[in-house]
Amino acid sequence: DAGVTQSPTHLIKTRGQQVTLRCSPISGHKSVSWYQQVLGQGPQFIFQYYEKEERGRGNFPDRFSARQFPNYSSELNVNALLLGDSALYLCASSLRTVGGTEAFFGQGTRLTVV
Amino acid sequence: QKEVEQDPGPLSVPEGAIVSLNCTYSNSAFQYFMWYRQYSRKGPELLMYTYSSGNKEDGRFTAQVDKSSKYISLFIRDSQPSDSATYLCAPVTGGGNKLTFGTGTQLKVEL
Repeated sequence: DAGVTQSPTHLIKTRGQQVTLRCSPISGHKSVSWYQQVLGQGPQFIFQYYEKEERGRGNFPDRFSARQFPNYSSELNVNALLLGDSALYLCASSLRTVGGTEAFFGQGTRLTVV
Repeated sequence: QKEVEQDPGPLSVPEGAIVSLNCTYSNSAFQYFMWYRQYSRKGPELLMYTYSSGNKEDGRFTAQVDKSSKYISLFIRDSQPSDSATYLCAPVTGGGNKLTFGTGTQLKVEL
């Protein structure tokens, strides 16, 4: 079975640009969450989507947005990129909301903002 | 105070040693406790998942939760060089929508 897949794996963008990251969850999983991991830190929660509805949002500015599609795949958009947005962006897939079930991560998208 | 505290290490041990990795947390609502292993420049890999207090064993790994003291541990027996990675604890509330990660402990198992 395919695990969580994320694309692209690496990305370099210029300050002020916009970026879209993509995630396909494990087959049968209806929840997708996004996390940001800065070097040397643990992942920080950005969003959770379950059944195509936003179920949670972390402490991130409105420049960050996301959506979930009918096939449960998801996109994370970041506008007006800042140098501080450079990080590993992780997508996690779970059967339902995270509390009470395992969450599995993809390999991440490494975003570098220059 | 962070919700989840974890000693960042690095922790260096000889091959075959027993390793103890620990986290403390402050949110009494946490009910589920996950441990992830993350190799350099990769996504976190789920190791173990426990509910409430007690122990859970899986091969060389044992997860322990003490809710009375808000203390989470992961023990690795007979550690191997392939165990060298960063270990992240991640508790979550019942029905919660997010994992709250510690900073991760970097472990190096040397030959």
